[in-house]
Order: sequence, then C-alpha cells, then structure tokens
Amino acid sequence: TQLLEQSPQFLSIQEGENLTVYCNSSSVFSSLQWYRQEPGEGPVLLVTVVTGGEVKKLKRLTFQFGDARKDSSLHITAAQPGDTGLYLCAGGDGGSNYKLTFGKGTLLTVNP
Amino acid sequence: NAGVMQNPRHLVRRRGQEARLRCSPMKGHSHVYWYRQLPEEGLKFMVYLQKENIIDESGMPKERFSAEFPKEGPSILRIQQVVRGDSAAYFCASSLTRDRIIGGYTFGSGTRLTVV
Repeated sequence: TQLLEQSPQFLSIQEGENLTVYCNSSSVFSSLQWYRQEPGEGPVLLVTVVTGGEVKKLKRLTFQFGDARKDSSLHITAAQPGDTGLYLCAGGDGGSNYKLTFGKGTLLTVNP
Repeated sequence: NAGVMQNPRHLVRRRGQEARLRCSPMKGHSHVYWYRQLPEEGLKFMVYLQKENIIDESGMPKERFSAEFPKEGPSILRIQQVVRGDSAAYFCASSLTRDRIIGGYTFGSGTRLTVV
C-alpha cells in the first residue's frame, strides 16, 4: 500500500511570511498532484508534476517533485489570507491510471 | 458550463436509515469516481464507474454500499442501514478520459453525511 505523509499537519502564519509544506513517501509515484481544499468545498487541482526534479511555478506557489519521485514540496512566497486552506498531495497509484492516493493534508491558516 | 454537481450538500440520517448521494458529472464526461473523506483522514478512493458499468469498486465496503451510473441521470452512491462510522464527506469527480494520473480530478463540492 502506498502512503503519503504530509507535514506539518497544521501551520499558522502571518500575512507576508513564506512557508514550505512537504509530502513524503517511501514509494515511487508516477506523478504527484497538489490540491487546495477550502472548508465545505471539494479539492481543487493546483498542479501535476511528473518528472523527477521538476519544478513548477504558479504565481507565488512553487512546486517541486523529488529526483527519486518519492517526495514533493510546496513553497508559498508572501502568503496571503486567501491562501488559507487544506493543501493535499496525491500520488498516482502504480497499478492504475485513475486511482490516486491522498495524504491527510496540511491545514494552512494565514492571519491578516 | 456547470462543474460537477453533488446533492444534497448536507444529509442527516438516523442510524439504520438509507442515504442516497447524487452526482451529476460535467457535461460530456462519462467517467465518475467517488471518494470518501473521513474526519482527520485523507480522501480514499471508493469506486470508479462509466456509464452503466462499475469499473473498479475495490475501495467500497463490501456490505451496505452500492453505486450506479445509469445511462440517463446522475450517478448514485447508496448507503443502506447507515451507522455512525459512515459520517464523512463524500466527493464525486468526473472526467472525459480514464487517465487521471496526469490530468487530475475535477471534484464536486461534496455531500456531508452525518449519522445521528
């Protein structure tokens, strides 16, 4: 069974600060996705990373896929209250092309 | 261009009752996936359906749970004789193609089931 561990579980910071959250596994994933989920809503896809070492940027968000494709990080620069939410990573299940394994998430609160 | 629509948004059931959760996929999408998010847990895959067919139900409990995606109408996740442990958020996602490893999911807003 593939597992994804996300850390930290909770993170509370002030507006303007930078932060990094992590997604780690002992398994290799064919790809890794990051989602953001707001209270009462479904997860929204932010990015998919596929190649080991890949870095993708989405405005103030920078996503990196580890060289061995076992881990990923999400860095947010100058966090804003609108960044508040649950950040989930999800890895492609090696046995299928549709089933994703999700981590439990990092709950980020950005205080004004 | 509506997204994935789920209803109801909130559902309260007494122990032993039945819960029916509905999911209307995005227009033109014929692949539907159900995930469950238990408190303090990540989303867990339950079932993958195409029109009139169950493709993979490996994540669905063997008893009391069933799913369908008829030729016409929404996909239905049915939970019979609900128990407190069924309380969770149930999310539906849909896609044009089967390969979600690259493309990711478009999720609905979910149905939050509370069993009292």
